[in-house]
Amino acid sequence: GDSVTQMEGPVTLSEEAFLTINCTYTATGYPSLFWYVQYPGEGLQLLLKATKADDKGSNKGFEATYRKETTSFHLEKGSVQVSDSAVYFCALGTAGNQFYFGTGTSLTVIP
Amino acid sequence: DAGVIQSPRHEVTEMGQEVTLRCKPISGHDYLFWYRQTMMRGLELLIYFNNNVPIDDSGMPEDRFSAKMPNASFSTLKIQPSEPRDSAVYFCASSPLGTGVYEQYFGPGTRLTVT
Repeated sequence: GDSVTQMEGPVTLSEEAFLTINCTYTATGYPSLFWYVQYPGEGLQLLLKATKADDKGSNKGFEATYRKETTSFHLEKGSVQVSDSAVYFCALGTAGNQFYFGTGTSLTVIP
Repeated sequence: DAGVIQSPRHEVTEMGQEVTLRCKPISGHDYLFWYRQTMMRGLELLIYFNNNVPIDDSGMPEDRFSAKMPNASFSTLKIQPSEPRDSAVYFCASSPLGTGVYEQYFGPGTRLTVT
């Protein structure tokens, strides 16, 4: 069935380090892909999205490229800040209006 | 614009009591979702509505859980009777007309503790 798999956490980085959180998907057809972020004590927020192959989603310095050949949508940021500490969820939306969240990856950025 | 509003923000109750969680979606949104989040099980979709009609309730854990959406601006999730294993953060989310289930806007959550 359709699903997303994201890297296990937690991830701890120093401020200004490069971030990659891996996400791969399994889906029939042509899904849309998303990254959501959950800051401590809050609900999830849509961070970025990509709706077709080779699309790049970007927001707040984060980027992810929809790679059909590797079925991946890895989240990257060139220089993380303490305020980026949160849980990041990869998600997949199918043409049949089904939606699947990954298990989440916790990121802690230390000064 | 106001976001998704949930009440109460915190609820502490004793086992066996009825609990009602409330949600006001963003005006104009036509999908509404209820999720439960725990450390052990992560984020679980319980049920979602489209235009006030329940579409998929396969995630509702058992008959003790029920959800209603009497109109476009209000939904409830009820647990009766509550049990300690229901302790979790419950989120309501809504998504705008035309985006289907994809672009979900989450509320701040209700933290439920059942003792």
